[in-house]
Amino acid sequence: EVQVLESGGGLVQPGGSLRLSCVVSGFSFSSYAVNWVRQAPGKGLQWLSAISGSGNTIYYADPAKGRFTISRDNSRNTVYLQMNSLRAEDTAMYYCARDGHNLPSAILIWGQGTRVTVSS
Amino acid sequence: QSVLTQPPSVSGTPGQRVTISCSGSSSNTGSNPVNWYQQVPGTAPKLLIYSNNQRPSGVPDRFSGSKSGTSASLAISGLQSEDEADYYCAAWDDSLNGFVAFGGGTKLTVL
Repeated sequence: EVQVLESGGGLVQPGGSLRLSCVVSGFSFSSYAVNWVRQAPGKGLQWLSAISGSGNTIYYADPAKGRFTISRDNSRNTVYLQMNSLRAEDTAMYYCARDGHNLPSAILIWGQGTRVTVSS
Repeated sequence: QSVLTQPPSVSGTPGQRVTISCSGSSSNTGSNPVNWYQQVPGTAPKLLIYSNNQRPSGVPDRFSGSKSGTSASLAISGLQSEDEADYYCAAWDDSLNGFVAFGGGTKLTVL
């Protein structure tokens, strides 16, 4: 059974940093892309970033460009999202989601999410 | 402003059939498969339909998907109270450097 488990969320002051982690188990980890998606309170889903199975190809949405960095360690079955210069509008539930292919194209399996609150 | 367009809300009574539309463009729904997700409030999204019309194991056959041109639809037949949730469509968008485009979500209310 595929499992996706996020961690690393919490309360951070504006301008601060957080690193989210996502451990994925139950399949050949390096064969699939992984995505990060967030959901602000009361709002819809917003795709942020994706990384290919090998880690060689990376994609970012505009809200993530320049402030967020996605990476993966295939030896640890883990994907990271380093978030810097955090703003109040980054407050959201952050979901890690496994794709259906080596390159991102279809989010198939979601984690339970980790909550990030940016506030002074 | 979401890239894919969904109605904000739909409603129906138990046993009825409802449909949720998802409209995009040639760079997303027109050229890539559409996926649908169900999100019960307070929980994570769950895959409902993938590749336009495929149901993952465990999803009841009351749920079905279709796509024509740049528009897709999710149909729910035999509506049940537990179907009350938010529904999102999504598709890969080939524009810019590529990204996952989501619809704004549709809240289904079972009256």
